[in-house]
Amino acid sequence: QKEVEQNSGPLSVPEGAIASLNCTYSDRVSQSFFWYRQYSGKSPELIMSIYSNGDKEDGRFTAQLNKASQYVSLLIRDSQPSDSATYLCAGRDDKIIFGKGTRLHILP
Amino acid sequence: GAVVSQHPSWVICKSGTSVKIECRSLDFQATTMFWYRQFPKQSLMLMATSNEGSKATYEQGVEKDKFLINHASLTLSTLTVTSAHPEDSSFYICSAQGTDSTDTQYFGPGTRLTVL
Repeated sequence: QKEVEQNSGPLSVPEGAIASLNCTYSDRVSQSFFWYRQYSGKSPELIMSIYSNGDKEDGRFTAQLNKASQYVSLLIRDSQPSDSATYLCAGRDDKIIFGKGTRLHILP
Repeated sequence: GAVVSQHPSWVICKSGTSVKIECRSLDFQATTMFWYRQFPKQSLMLMATSNEGSKATYEQGVEKDKFLINHASLTLSTLTVTSAHPEDSSFYICSAQGTDSTDTQYFGPGTRLTVL
């Protein structure tokens, strides 16, 4: 298993719905987890970090971490067209390892 | 807080010339900085990890003599693409990791390099 895996998408979600992005990770990646958003032609920007099991909410974003099942997810409530981007999941061993990203498309 | 800048934001150069890209952490000290390259519609590719005051660690397949990295201070790292060729045209992005316990990486805005 690759260290951090994501479905490349595209994931299409109607405006106003909940977008759910998922990521699985290997045993090597066991500490901090991060979600970044990257618009086309731009660099990634940090959305959220999560370190312990459970949910972490910040505005319309909720990160969920389940260490037993080795997955981390990002929920985006009330999706907006401006949320259309590539979302990168990342985890840490001795350095941060990025997944290849999931393209999210919010349909107006 | 946690702002990282890059300069220049874009550069066009002739084949065979060298290009230097600067990465600065503006409001925090970064003991570690990372350099990535990203080709269109592809994922980030880590090129090297740079620690202040020591030699950079390059990822497999990245030529250290072609991509010179200097991390002279806790707020500045530079990447020099030597003898650039058209295949080096890409989006180069740095990130900086602070000294707090979260070890979060913050990305610079990137530098788009076009080699003619």
